Amino acid sequence: GAVVSQHPSWVICKSGTSVKIECRSLDFQATTMFWYRQFPKQSLMLMATSNEGSKATYEQGVEKDKFLINHASLTLSTLTVTSAHPEDSSFYICSAAPGIHEQYFGPGTRLTVT
Amino acid sequence: GQQLNQSPQSMFIQEGEDVSMNCTSSSIFNTWLWYKQDPGEGPVLLIALYKAGELTSNGRLTAQFGITRKDSFLNISASIPSDVGIYFCAGRQTGANNLFFGTGTRLTVIP
Repeated sequence: GAVVSQHPSWVICKSGTSVKIECRSLDFQATTMFWYRQFPKQSLMLMATSNEGSKATYEQGVEKDKFLINHASLTLSTLTVTSAHPEDSSFYICSAAPGIHEQYFGPGTRLTVT
Repeated sequence: GQQLNQSPQSMFIQEGEDVSMNCTSSSIFNTWLWYKQDPGEGPVLLIALYKAGELTSNGRLTAQFGITRKDSFLNISASIPSDVGIYFCAGRQTGANNLFFGTGTRLTVIP
């Protein structure tokens, strides 16, 4: 149980284009989902907290107009990187929380912007 | 945001040896979680701790929630090659939804 999927697992896009990443909880409902970014050999940094049916809460320094988050249902949240630039290249990981304690992570999406 | 300090940063051990790593913070947490991340994958939850002093095992893994609520440790007994990976601690503070992650411990097991 507690399986979280992400799609796509990797994506290469040209600078200036937008990319959408999906995060789904497959066998549980998650009122809260989280989006993280991880640079090589570094820890996970929280970007935003996404609550179903309401606006996401962004961490300090994360541009909400650049990283659009939609949490339309209890099993799906999407992250859209708009007007991507090479410095946005990173490993993006989502997690979903079935309750108030644990978080279960997706397998991650590697984004490369050329 | 806050970051938890993990030590050691990296470890090279022989197969069969026991491993110990810890995580410390200047702030109090009410939940401690330990995750393992393989290259190119998302973190996988290993152990969750909810009470100060709690000691919990999951197979060869044992983790404890420090009495001060500012630290936690993870032990791995009789290491095997598939234990290779990066281990992260994560903590949650009272009233918060989000987790703060440790800096990670990279474990290498030499067969």
